[in-house]
Amino acid sequence: QVQLQESGPGLVKPSQTLSLTCAVSAGSISSGAFYWSWIRQPPGKGLEWIGSIYYSGSTYYNPSLKSRLTMSVDTSKNQFSLNLSSVTAADTAVYYCARGGTLQYPKDWGQGTLVTVSS
Amino acid sequence: QSALTQPASVSGSPGQSITISCTGTSSDVGGYNYVSWYQQHPGKAPELMIYDVSVRPSGISNRFSASKSGNTASLTISGLQAEDEAAYYCSSYTSITTVVFGGGTKLTVL
Repeated sequence: QVQLQESGPGLVKPSQTLSLTCAVSAGSISSGAFYWSWIRQPPGKGLEWIGSIYYSGSTYYNPSLKSRLTMSVDTSKNQFSLNLSSVTAADTAVYYCARGGTLQYPKDWGQGTLVTVSS
Repeated sequence: QSALTQPASVSGSPGQSITISCTGTSSDVGGYNYVSWYQQHPGKAPELMIYDVSVRPSGISNRFSASKSGNTASLTISGLQAEDEAAYYCSSYTSITTVVFGGGTKLTVL
């Protein structure tokens, strides 16, 4: 059973870049045709799809975040990453990483990590 | 892309059935048979309950069923149990190769 674990700073200052990593265990990130996704959830609010990256490197981004967003895969470390630039308080959320066999169905999720944007 | 529309809350008594709706557009829900439903308990990650409109992943109870008509998808939970109390989110593939979630529905088991 694959396991996903998010890591990164819990506090980011406004205008800076939010960087998170998702470590994948019990399976190689490049061994199968999977989509690796990021989803976030502001405190007390609903889910928002951030974007996905295919094992081949193709990326799919939420149009509302696209100009600030970069996702990448590091096969040597068996992890994938999220960089979100020019953050504001509106980017405060629990960030989840997830894996799915298709773009539209993230099935295996990490436990989530809270990122607060504040000075 | 706009979030799919779900009722903010629904409730039901143990043993009863409830239905949660999820309304989108022809560019998402209505255009593809790629609607999914997630259950989320407080403080936990979401769990995939339904995909491809009506397919249950292995291990999901058959008390959960779903369908779609036009731009609206629906999740039905029959034989309500206390453990079903959670937030439920629909999601859909979109015409611009993205994913959009619904705003979420809080289910209360009375």
